[in-house]
Amino acid sequence: DVVLTQTPSILSATIGQSVSISCRSSQSLLDSDGNTYLYWFLQRPGQSPQRLIYLVSNLGSGVPNRFSGSGSGTDFTLKISGVEAEDLGVYYCMQATHAPFTFGSGTKLEIK
Amino acid sequence: QVTLKESGPGILQPSQTLSLTCSFSGFSLSTSGICVSWIRQPSGKGLEWLATICWEDSKGYNPSLKNRLTISKDTSNNQAFLKITSVDTADTAIYYCALTTGFDYWGQGVMVTVSS
Repeated sequence: DVVLTQTPSILSATIGQSVSISCRSSQSLLDSDGNTYLYWFLQRPGQSPQRLIYLVSNLGSGVPNRFSGSGSGTDFTLKISGVEAEDLGVYYCMQATHAPFTFGSGTKLEIK
Repeated sequence: QVTLKESGPGILQPSQTLSLTCSFSGFSLSTSGICVSWIRQPSGKGLEWLATICWEDSKGYNPSLKNRLTISKDTSNNQAFLKITSVDTADTAIYYCALTTGFDYWGQGVMVTVSS
């Protein structure tokens, strides 16, 4: 199975601060069709996961543009440019290139 | 408008079979390219993909659950199903279904507790 290693596991930020979360894969997520099926989700307390980013860097519908994704192959990053209070929760990366689909272990964002 | 909603038994005993239903609207599982997945989350823990079913009836399963999973669909009634046999306490979790074509829509989840 593909292992996704997320760092850090806990992130403490002040409002307005820019932060980054890393997601490293145990193997390349580039699919034979040319796509890289790497997603980012935010799970707010008591809620279902909400997709933020798809195919590495595409912003989901209705997602604020302070969120951005980048990377290729095995190294990926989610950046929040100017954290807001509503951004608190747990962030997960997920790959759907290789079966079984797998998730990172999560990064908890706390607001100072 | 796409919506998904999971339903299940709430509580069941070890060794029983868990049956889950995902009722959805706003899309059809007979449309080319459409797939629905089941994902679960034990309390306070991370997410685990379980299974996916697609429009042409292809299916994928997480091998970590060996042969305990069966996914199916009822296209006419806009439903997808998941069965897990021989449950034990480790299967206690919130179970989600999600539109897999982009993972942009998820249900609210249904809590399942396995307890004697």
